[in-house]
Order: sequence, then structure tokens, then C-alpha cells
Amino acid sequence: DAKTTQPPSMDCAEGRAANLPCNHSTISGNEYVYWYRQIHSQGPQYIIHGLKNNETNEMASLIITEDRKSSTLILPHATLRDTAVYYCIVDTGRRALTFGSGTRLQVQP
Amino acid sequence: GAVVSQHPSWVICKSGTSVKIECRSLDFQATTMFWYRQFPKQSLMLMATSNEGSKATYEQGVEKDKFLINHASLTLSTLTVTSAHPEDSSFYICSARDPSERTDTQYFGPGTRLTVL
Repeated sequence: DAKTTQPPSMDCAEGRAANLPCNHSTISGNEYVYWYRQIHSQGPQYIIHGLKNNETNEMASLIITEDRKSSTLILPHATLRDTAVYYCIVDTGRRALTFGSGTRLQVQP
Repeated sequence: GAVVSQHPSWVICKSGTSVKIECRSLDFQATTMFWYRQFPKQSLMLMATSNEGSKATYEQGVEKDKFLINHASLTLSTLTVTSAHPEDSSFYICSARDPSERTDTQYFGPGTRLTVL
């Protein structure tokens, strides 16, 4: 499995954009970049995923570098409810996902 | 996105008893479901892969006779913790892939918190 590296924690002011980085330098050509988040005492919530193109949905944007070795999840206008642990996972999508330690995002009022 | 439910959301039981946790895919059929557990301040750890109509595949170190998995239909998988002990207290989470989605996105249930007294 390709491994990912994320900062353990980040702070963001409410209303500002939260940019969460992820390094995945050993990603394979058929592996997607998935982002999930886990709010305290809940199951992980799917956010977004991509292969090589940038993606956007109602929750976030995903920017993947051209060499696919890193990506950034962008929450355009963070709210207090976005406080959670964010997991960046690379996988083909056909196996169980392997969770690392993630980034604990604290949105400050 | 697809919805996965779990029942119960929390359970407290006495040591030595068995507890069954249900995982359902509500709006799609899942031939494969996954069971994870999460201890406090730790990340999710895969326990087993549940395959509809066949035996589950367990991760190394997970006792198959203690954690019984049944995937009898395309929308239901159950995890039974047999002879539960306090060290089995944890947050159990299931996930399922929606095969109708091109990239097989996995969706997770809300989790079941098990406390063994």
C-alpha cells in the first residue's frame, strides 16, 4: 500500500479556507487519493477522491499535483463543524482502506 | 452518497456475554463489507473483510472464533463478539463499497460503541 504523510494537527479560523496537505510519493498509477474525516465518536465521512485531475464537490476541493506525489484538500469556508480528524488515503478502491494518523483540524471561532 | 447504518449505536454488556452488531447498506447492495475497530486516541484498524455468501477474511491477530462475522445477504453483515471481556471495549465501525459507483467509494457506518463491564 502507498503510504501517506500528513501533519498531525492544524488550526484554521472560522470562515477562512482550510488547506490540508498530504504527501504520497509512492502512489501507484491505479491508486486514487481519498479524503475522509472523522468527527469525534462518529464513523468516517467520505469527502472527496481523485485520480489525477483536480476535483470539487459541495464539501471540498481536491488539488493533486501533476506528478501525483502530493495533494491538498481545501475546505473553502471552514466552520466549527469542520473540526475533525482528516484522513488522506491512497488506494485502488477495491480493498479495505488503511487509515494513518490523519490531521486533526481545529477550527477556531 | 450511499448510506450505511449500524445497530445498535452503543451497547453495554457484562463480561462473558455475547453481543451482535448489525451493519446494513441502505440504498445499495454490497457484496463486500469491512469491519474496523478503533480504540481511544487511535486510528481505525481493519479487523476483517466480510464477503456475502462466503467466509470472512480476518486480519492477523484477530480471533475468528471470538469475532464471528456473517454476511447472509447483500445488505446485511453482522459481527458477534462472543464471550466479551473488558479489553474488547472499543468503537466498532463497518464500511461497504457501492459497486455501482465507478471508483468503488467506501462508505462507513456511524459506529457502535461497545463497553464490556
